[in-house]
Amino acid sequence: DIQMTQSPSSLSASVGDRVTITCRASQSISNYLNWYQQKPGKAPKLLIYAASSLQSGVPSRFSGSGSGTDFTLTISSLQPEDFATYYCQQSYSAPPHTFGQGTKLEIK
Amino acid sequence: EVRLVESGGGLVQPGGSLRLSCAASGFTFSNYLMGWVRQAPGKGLEWVANLNQDGSQKYYVDSVKGRFTISRDNAKNSLYLQMNSLRAEDTAVFYCARDRGYCSGGTCYPSYFDYWGQGTLVTVSS
Repeated sequence: DIQMTQSPSSLSASVGDRVTITCRASQSISNYLNWYQQKPGKAPKLLIYAASSLQSGVPSRFSGSGSGTDFTLTISSLQPEDFATYYCQQSYSAPPHTFGQGTKLEIK
Repeated sequence: EVRLVESGGGLVQPGGSLRLSCAASGFTFSNYLMGWVRQAPGKGLEWVANLNQDGSQKYYVDSVKGRFTISRDNAKNSLYLQMNSLRAEDTAVFYCARDRGYCSGGTCYPSYFDYWGQGTLVTVSS
């Protein structure tokens, strides 16, 4: 199975900051990389699919980039509602479509 | 509005069985691949299983193969997860989700999940 590794595991930032979260795959996955946001007690929400495509309704301050094995999720200017846990997921080839371990974004 | 509502979770003893259901509405259920994802308490997300539109192609994570069975009833707009031989490590919130993959030429290509239910908690304990 393809392993997904996110860094950092946790991150403290302030409202207005620019934040970048990294996800690395154990083998090349082309652009088959998705990002989700999860708030405590809630279901995950799709933010980005195919590495850089913004899901409908998601604010444009969220962006994704990368291909092959290295990917990033960037939040250009943090808003109070963005403090959450973020997960990457690969959807390359046959399942299982593994998730990264998560990055918890906390208020500084 | 797309809506996915899970049910069937609860407390079960090790070795026991449970059947989860997911009622879908707001979209043409029979047109989509569907899947299950779980999250152990305080842990990350784990992809569990999914299946194609007619239920003929199914995929499972290794840890549940032979114990869990995913199925669907398109007439009832429902997705199911039959869980047998449950273990303490199966304790988790189980989410059903709509998969935006596709099928072509007899092969299916699962993809990302664009809508999720609110989850149902399964606790395996004596």
